Amino acid sequence: GENVEQHPSTLSVQEGDSAVIKCTYSDSASNYFPWYKQELGKGPQLIIDIRSNVGEKKDQRIAVTLNKTAKHFSLHITETQPEDSAVYFCAAPSTSGTYKYIFGTGTRLKVLA
Amino acid sequence: KAGVTQTPRYLIKTRGQQVTLSCSPISGHRSVSWYQQTPGQGLQFLFEYFSETQRNKGNFPGRFSGRQFSNSRSEMNVSTLELGDSALYLCASSVTGGNNSPLHFGNGTRLTVT
Repeated sequence: GENVEQHPSTLSVQEGDSAVIKCTYSDSASNYFPWYKQELGKGPQLIIDIRSNVGEKKDQRIAVTLNKTAKHFSLHITETQPEDSAVYFCAAPSTSGTYKYIFGTGTRLKVLA
Repeated sequence: KAGVTQTPRYLIKTRGQQVTLSCSPISGHRSVSWYQQTPGQGLQFLFEYFSETQRNKGNFPGRFSGRQFSNSRSEMNVSTLELGDSALYLCASSVTGGNNSPLHFGNGTRLTVT
């Protein structure tokens, strides 16, 4: 959708705890939702994505859930480690034109050792 | 497989100058998108190219332009630089560029305008 809201903007967790980041999109026609991790001095790296025909997807310590009715999707990181510290972005396809993504404003995750 | 390569990594220019940034996509990817990243505005879409054709353009002034070559490599140009153009410019490639086609980003070009 044209608008993607992401919360929280910053998140601090103790090593080993879980972290959850939530995004809300505005267009119910959106059908693909990627998550990116950006480390200092690097570009965003795709870490997991979900399509609208599934409600949850897992990849080791990372999972993404999708609630189409409420139009929100969340990133879950379990057993956090210091190397998980980074900025995380959610995204959704634009509705006003094709071949374009709208990104959330980012969440700075700090994992405290 | 090599990732998306952007050159140069850093640029310092003065107001009024122009700059050209380069992007080599992942082999086999025919779509290249450009995004501007700033602390205040986040990631903003600039344009997308596929098979040398611009298919979409973001809300940026005409000073921002781009092109794609037959080997899918892309360049973007910014003319008459302004202080506000200071940003990280990210290139992303994907197989088709469609809305279900994941973007793979390069590490960006950090442009500083003084």
